[in-house]
Amino acid sequence: GAVVSQHPSRVICKSGTSVKIECRSLDFQATTMFWYRQFPKQSLMLMATSNEGSKATYEQGVEKDKFLINHASLTLSTLTVTSAHPEDSSFYICSASNRTGPNTEAFFGQGTRLTVV
Amino acid sequence: DAKTTQPPSMDCAEGRAANLPCNHSTISGNEYVYWYRQIHSQGPQYIIHGLKNNETNEMASLIITEDRKSSTLILPHATLRDTAVYYCIVRNTGRRALTFGSGTRLQVQP
Repeated sequence: GAVVSQHPSRVICKSGTSVKIECRSLDFQATTMFWYRQFPKQSLMLMATSNEGSKATYEQGVEKDKFLINHASLTLSTLTVTSAHPEDSSFYICSASNRTGPNTEAFFGQGTRLTVV
Repeated sequence: DAKTTQPPSMDCAEGRAANLPCNHSTISGNEYVYWYRQIHSQGPQYIIHGLKNNETNEMASLIITEDRKSSTLILPHATLRDTAVYYCIVRNTGRRALTFGSGTRLQVQP
């Protein structure tokens, strides 16, 4: 299947600083990528849809000014957690598809575990 | 997307078949059934998907009932590395992102 790569896999940052997470589609182009967040013992929750060349679409309750998404190319989307606080500590996961339509599997990155201290 | 219902947990003996059920009684005609799994601290891994016919690949088989209101994921010979949370997801044309429920935590026992 197609490969989606995230970097870094783990990051620890100080409260008040910003952290950037990269999501790359390695062997295909993705006009749309998705960002999820997963807290311990919970399921994945969609945060936003990242659209190449246009603004991201955020789910209800997700602060767009705090979670900045940039999808500058067909193979790269970035999520920046600005002014991070301990409650932002979570597992962040991106996904992408190489085709559109409901008969299309989505592929996921390996996730980024963010710890804010 | 149609709602899915899965048992919260299941056990399976190593080497035996693991049969994971999923109810999706409100599924509509253009919605596909997808299965993903998530091993601890990793991103979800695609397993298989189908519309109405049974499907098989190198990882698993997917059995969808004739009325499409339920399905079963079959891992034919479970190994310890199959221990994971398995998510059954119904996907339609109107939403590109996948909506994850709480899934089934499968524990493969030695």
